[in-house]
Amino acid sequence: AAGVIQSPRHLIKEKRETATLKCYPIPRHDTVYWYQQGPGQDPQFLISFYEKMQSDKGSIPDRFSAQQFSDYHSELNMSSLELGDSALYFCASSTGTGGHEQYFGPGTRLTVT
Amino acid sequence: AQSVTQLDSQVPVFEEAPVELRCNYSSSVSVYLFWYVQYPNQGLQLLLKYLSGSTLVESINGFEAEFNKSQTSFHLRKPSVHISDTAEYFCAVSGGDDKIIFGKGTRLHILP
Repeated sequence: AAGVIQSPRHLIKEKRETATLKCYPIPRHDTVYWYQQGPGQDPQFLISFYEKMQSDKGSIPDRFSAQQFSDYHSELNMSSLELGDSALYFCASSTGTGGHEQYFGPGTRLTVT
Repeated sequence: AQSVTQLDSQVPVFEEAPVELRCNYSSSVSVYLFWYVQYPNQGLQLLLKYLSGSTLVESINGFEAEFNKSQTSFHLRKPSVHISDTAEYFCAVSGGDDKIIFGKGTRLHILP
């Protein structure tokens, strides 16, 4: 079965650079979620989109922005990167919102040097 | 708002012994409960979930969890663990809105 695809899988950036993470949800899934997992930490919810509209917002820094496109893929844009942004970034997808099972991608490991 | 407490950050268990990973939650609304497993250097995989119905839910690899509303718990159990069960286990809750709230995780160490 098709799963959530994230690209790139690994990314190394320097401080103050920008990064773009991409997420391709499972076919026919219309909701995308982004989570950040710092080293040794639990995943923290950043933001979600349903039918291309932002549906919920968590602890996402103002330096980050995201959107969902007409084909339902999503991009997380991160600017002015800081060392503390080094983390594993997960994308998840589901059908609809409100407690539906979320399927997670393999994650993008971002390292900021 | 919802929150999840995993009481043990690490649990060492001998191979073929039973294990219980504890999880308590708090919520002012009805919840959906999940256990996710993260193997070393990998992503999150859904292990099992409670949405409604039977309070005892099972996974395909021998894990089970029981939703206990009165004790606000969703403990994960397995009667006999294997080396391959070595991983980080996250209990998680959703209150019906979009986000999933994760616990801090419990690292399961299987001892030979």
